[in-house]
Amino acid sequence: QKEVEQDPGPLSVPEGAIVSLNCTYSNSAFQYFMWYRQYSRKGPELLMYTYSSGNKEDGRFTAQVDKSSKYISLFIRDSQPSDSATYLCAMSVIGNTPLVFGKGTRLSVIA
Amino acid sequence: SQTIHQWPATLVQPVGSPLSLECTVEGTSNPNLYWYRQAAGRGLQLLFYSVGIGQISSEVPQNLSASRPQDRQFILSSKKLLLSDSGFYLCAWSGNSNQPQHFGDGTRLSIL
Repeated sequence: QKEVEQDPGPLSVPEGAIVSLNCTYSNSAFQYFMWYRQYSRKGPELLMYTYSSGNKEDGRFTAQVDKSSKYISLFIRDSQPSDSATYLCAMSVIGNTPLVFGKGTRLSVIA
Repeated sequence: SQTIHQWPATLVQPVGSPLSLECTVEGTSNPNLYWYRQAAGRGLQLLFYSVGIGQISSEVPQNLSASRPQDRQFILSSKKLLLSDSGFYLCAWSGNSNQPQHFGDGTRLSIL
């Protein structure tokens, strides 16, 4: 079993839809969870950063962590064509490096 | 605010040639620095990370090496490039091992 699993997509949705992106993981020691957005030919950009379980909201983005299920989610409300990108989940153990990344989900929001 | 710079953005090199990619961070001191390679369909692979000047940890055996000659400068090198070294190379920094990493815009390396 891979350490972090992420459906590569592609995922195509109409503008205004709610998007749900997910990752599962196997290492119960992970405590820090991140979501990055990567546009074509650019570096990943940090979107959300959460510690342990719970929800975090930032504008149209909500990150959820369920440590009991080893499952994390990113929700995008009122999706826009500018949200079209690859979304990467990443996680790490307390006081340890490096980050472990999912392979990314490619999202297209159609106007 | 902190910024990270990588150059060049694109590089085409012949097999067997040397390589030097540079990354610098501004607006912070004593950052953790990282080099990743991103291959299509394979996600990000950590190559090297550094917690201080002259301190380099290697994650995978390979044809590449890294150096940190100054606090905010990280260099990725090779003496002789292989075809398999092609890819998208990303530099990142963080404040400490529990802080999120922030990435540069990468170097797309093609080996001919």
